[in-house]
Amino acid sequence: AQKVTQAQTEISVVEKEDVTLDCVYETRDTTYYLFWYKQPPSGELVFLIRRNSFDEQNEISGRYSWNFQKSTSSFNFTITASQVVDSAVYFCALSEAMNTGFQKLVFGTGTRLLVSP
Amino acid sequence: DTAVSQTPKYLVTQMGNDKSIKCEQNLGHDTMYWYKQDSKKFLKIMFSYNNKELIINETVPNRFSPKSPDKAHLNLHINSLELGDSAVYFCASSQDSGGSYNEQFFGPGTRLTVL
Repeated sequence: AQKVTQAQTEISVVEKEDVTLDCVYETRDTTYYLFWYKQPPSGELVFLIRRNSFDEQNEISGRYSWNFQKSTSSFNFTITASQVVDSAVYFCALSEAMNTGFQKLVFGTGTRLLVSP
Repeated sequence: DTAVSQTPKYLVTQMGNDKSIKCEQNLGHDTMYWYKQDSKKFLKIMFSYNNKELIINETVPNRFSPKSPDKAHLNLHINSLELGDSAVYFCASSQDSGGSYNEQFFGPGTRLTVL
């Protein structure tokens, strides 16, 4: 079965520091998708990015960037110049193909990021 | 305009009661999901429907029964509530594009507390 490991349970940084959240995955699928979601203290889950296994280009969106490395089965997330509003739990997720032809998402355990002023 | 909405947002009830949570999406998606998030924030899929048909049914007690009256709605009924059912339940939706797995959009969650 697929597995997503987010080894960092909690990270604390001071505003303006850069921070990287690690995500390592295991899969038997040749085609798969990786995702990051943000869960702020208000509780909702916010989609951040989707990446398919054939696209290893790094992605940058404002202060956010993602590094996908198939060779190490990792999909790490970096926040540059962190801000207090970045404080949240961040989840990495991986698609798992089922024999029905559909897929489901398998989530990591999340990393809680605390950004203090 | 709320994309994925759930009612109620909070639900406090006694052990043994039966309760329902409703979910609606106005994104035009064809696939909907129920997830359970426990007190340690672990998120696990429970059910999924594609065009009103059940496609994912994880190891969930029979006391949980989903129902999808149409593509835009997915409800969750829970019988004989137990203390361990206390959690946040999230509804989500996505568009299944046949071979391409698209992102899921989540509702605000329903916090269920069983006393």
